[in-house]
Amino acid sequence: AQTVTQSQPEMSVQEAETVTLSCTYDTSESDYYLFWYKQPPSRQMILVIRQEAYKQQNATENRFSVNFQKAAKSFSLKISDSQLGDAAMYFCAYANQGGSEKLVFGKGTKLTVNP
Amino acid sequence: NAGVTQTPKFQVLKTGQSMTLQCAQDMNHEYMSWYRQDPGMGLRLIHYSVGAGITDQGEVPNGYNVSRSTTEDFPLRLLSAAPSQTSVYFCASKRSFYGYTFGSGTRLTVV
Repeated sequence: AQTVTQSQPEMSVQEAETVTLSCTYDTSESDYYLFWYKQPPSRQMILVIRQEAYKQQNATENRFSVNFQKAAKSFSLKISDSQLGDAAMYFCAYANQGGSEKLVFGKGTKLTVNP
Repeated sequence: NAGVTQTPKFQVLKTGQSMTLQCAQDMNHEYMSWYRQDPGMGLRLIHYSVGAGITDQGEVPNGYNVSRSTTEDFPLRLLSAAPSQTSVYFCASKRSFYGYTFGSGTRLTVV
C-alpha cells in the first residue's frame, strides 16, 4: 500500500520569505499523481498544485512550486514571498494513475506566517 | 456552480443513532469519495464511487454505508453511531486525471 510522510508537523516563516514543506512517499507504481492541498481555518480543502509523475518538469502555480524527485520519492512544496493568507495546514497527497479516485494523504504540516 | 455541497455542516448524535450525511455535486463529475479527518491523522478514505451504481470500500469503511443512484449525489450513512466516529467528514468529486474538489466538511460529534 502507498504511504505519504510529512516529517514536519509545524513550520513557520516570516512574511515575504520563502518556505519549503517536505513530503516523501512510498510506491511501487511508475505512473501516479501527487498533490498539495491547503486547509485554512475555514476547513475547506483547496488544491494548491498537482504533478504527474511522468512529467519531468516541476509544476508551478504563481508563488507555489514543487521539487519533484521521482527517484528519491520526494515531493516538496516551495512557497515564495509568503503572505499571511498562506497560513494553513498543508497536506501532501498521492494517487495511482489507475486508481486515481483514491487519494492517500500525509498527516499534514501546519504553516504559520509571522508578520 | 455550487461545486460540492455537504449538509449538514455540524451534527451531534447520540451513540446508537443513525443518520445520513448528504453530498451533492453539480459538475457532472464521475468520481466521488468520502473521507474522514481526525486530529494528527490526515484524511482517510471511507468509500468511493467511480460512477452511478458503482461503489467500493476505502481504508476505513466499517460502520458506514454508501450508495450512488445518480451522478450528482453520494450520501454517507452511519448505521449505528459510535464515539469513534466523531470526526470531520469530507465529500469530494473529480473528473478523470484532475485533482479532487472538496466540500466544506461536516463536523460530527457522537456522545
